[in-house]
Amino acid sequence: SQQGEEDPQALSIQEGENATMNCSYKTSINNLQWYRQNSGRGLVHLILIRSNEREKHSGRLRVTLDTSKKSSSLLITASRAADTASYFCATEISGNTPLVFGKGTRLSVIA
Amino acid sequence: EAGVAQSPRYKIIEKRQSVAFWCNPISGHATLYWYQQILGQGPKLLIQFQNNGVVDDSQLPKDRFSAERLKGVDSTLKIQPAKLEDSAVYLCASSLVGQGRNIQYFGAGTRLSVL
Repeated sequence: SQQGEEDPQALSIQEGENATMNCSYKTSINNLQWYRQNSGRGLVHLILIRSNEREKHSGRLRVTLDTSKKSSSLLITASRAADTASYFCATEISGNTPLVFGKGTRLSVIA
Repeated sequence: EAGVAQSPRYKIIEKRQSVAFWCNPISGHATLYWYQQILGQGPKLLIQFQNNGVVDDSQLPKDRFSAERLKGVDSTLKIQPAKLEDSAVYLCASSLVGQGRNIQYFGAGTRLSVL
């Protein structure tokens, strides 16, 4: 079963706009990660946030984590056409347990 | 640093035939994963190896799927016999687990079509 559920399933924005994707999960976690998948490619790790962290930044990415609500959000600022991809959240319940991926959000950035 | 290598990239077979996929992880990565990704969904773990031992194969359909990791490096995933519902992308990933972060590095995947 899939632990994480991303919302929305699909998102279409204009280049330069911000994109926000949300992830909800069911059980307590050790950390939460976001991955990107371009069409026909494997997944690429973007950012990891630990359960004791509330916010993390990496370039144009900002991730927040609310463990009380069991939710996370990924914000991509000043989006570019190259950001067009599917974005997945993945949760790790404890050390060395497998990551559990959500169904993903398909982001389309229109130039 | 070379990434995770997978082959073949594409495979088309008829139902009830057999198929095998190969994965070479990043050098030094002790943990290797095989995922199945059905169109429009996230990856689902099939099996996890730590070196050449199986850590988790609870979601592997063992009546038709098998996997091995010889010498703790390369791995093969086999389906015998294939069913129509096995059509998916099969992703291999590796990681340096033990640092408490479990960041996974993925190959490009093998797209399997079962006709």
